[in-house]
Amino acid sequence: DSGVTQTPKHLITATGQRVTLRCSPRSGDLSVYWYQQSLDQGLQFLIQYYNGEERAKGNILERFSAQQFPDLHSELNLSSLELGDSALYFCASSVDTGGTSGVVDEQFFGPGTRLTVL
Amino acid sequence: GQNIDQPTEMTATEGAIVQINCTYQTSGFNGLFWYQQHAGEAPTFLSYNVLDGLEEKGRFSSFLSRSKGYSYLLLKELQMKDSASYLCAVRAAGNKLTFGGGTRVLVKP
Repeated sequence: DSGVTQTPKHLITATGQRVTLRCSPRSGDLSVYWYQQSLDQGLQFLIQYYNGEERAKGNILERFSAQQFPDLHSELNLSSLELGDSALYFCASSVDTGGTSGVVDEQFFGPGTRLTVL
Repeated sequence: GQNIDQPTEMTATEGAIVQINCTYQTSGFNGLFWYQQHAGEAPTFLSYNVLDGLEEKGRFSSFLSRSKGYSYLLLKELQMKDSASYLCAVRAAGNKLTFGGGTRVLVKP
């Protein structure tokens, strides 16, 4: 158990709909990261938040947005869903020392939310 | 940008050794990570290298050569439970990770 929680575990919805995925980081971790993993594909970085502020952006579609709340939990909103959005969505957290060289500061991953768009 | 390459799949026998290579091209380098991921589960951290050389952790070792943009993960005394995907990830600026496509390792009896 990494200490990172994600809800829901599974989500089945229809094209055109909107869903919200939720993540609670490990106690003490200030950074939250969102990743998408499609079938047979690697982890694609979507976005990072640090202490409530957006810190880094990856290949995140305009239909997707995220935020981090004062209690540090984060939500990923996916709208106008398409079949191709079906994937595993992982949240990870870390203390985040700003990438200080030599400091491991590994990311701890939650169990993921499996999204199926029909 | 960043480009990370690793083999798609490898097969090995229980008790043997397997070496998973990872090559990368990156603008800025601040460490290389290896993660293990069982099918449908979360990735779990295995190792971290930021300086050249070998890091050993039990049955797992990881090597880095920054000048060559090259790393490998060595799995010794393979067990059936080691059947999983192994993900190479490079950290550039900040704490953002870019992952390779992963190497699926199948351990056979």
